[in-house]
Amino acid sequence: AQSVSQHNHHVILSEAASLELGCNYSYGGTVNLFWYVQYPGQHLQLLLKYFSGDPLVKGIKGFEAEFIKSKFSFNLRKPSVQWSDTAEYFCAVNSRGANNLFFGTGTRLTVIP
Amino acid sequence: DTAVSQTPKYLVTQMGNDKSIKCEQNLGHDTMYWYKQDSKKFLKIMFSYNNKELIINETVPNRFSPKSPDKAHLNLHINSLELGDSAVYFCASSLRLAGDTDTQYFGPGTRLTVL
Repeated sequence: AQSVSQHNHHVILSEAASLELGCNYSYGGTVNLFWYVQYPGQHLQLLLKYFSGDPLVKGIKGFEAEFIKSKFSFNLRKPSVQWSDTAEYFCAVNSRGANNLFFGTGTRLTVIP
Repeated sequence: DTAVSQTPKYLVTQMGNDKSIKCEQNLGHDTMYWYKQDSKKFLKIMFSYNNKELIINETVPNRFSPKSPDKAHLNLHINSLELGDSAVYFCASSLRLAGDTDTQYFGPGTRLTVL
């Protein structure tokens, strides 16, 4: 069975600090990878996704993620966070040909002004 | 325009009651889903429907019964509510069932509180 691990449960940063959130998955086949963000009181929104091609994908709001197949990782990065980035971030994976998205447990990011 | 909408946004009810949550998508997608997000923010799929047919049914108690009157709607009916059903329920949709590059779009969620 697939699983997704997000080892950072809560990350606290000051504005302008750089961010990296870890995501590892366990599945031997071809996967699609996603990062979703959930702002306080709001629904899940797609930040970025990887299906194929360039393993470095850029998303909205200055976020990017790098797929490293050998490490089964898809870490999320942002060079300089803002207070408005305070939210819960979820990594998700599905295997090709399947629609069942597996989510990590989420990482809460708190950005201090 | 709202892509995936859910009603109600909040639902507070007593144990033992029966309640329904409605979901509608106007994206023209074929596939719809229900997810449950528990108090620790963990998201887990419950059901998936494609063109009104049940595709995925995870280990969910049979008190939960999804109903899809057409491919734009997927409602969730819950019988005999229990305290452990308290959670946020998210509806989602995607263009196809087994598409390789489909993204799931989520609704705003329904926060269910069972007293």
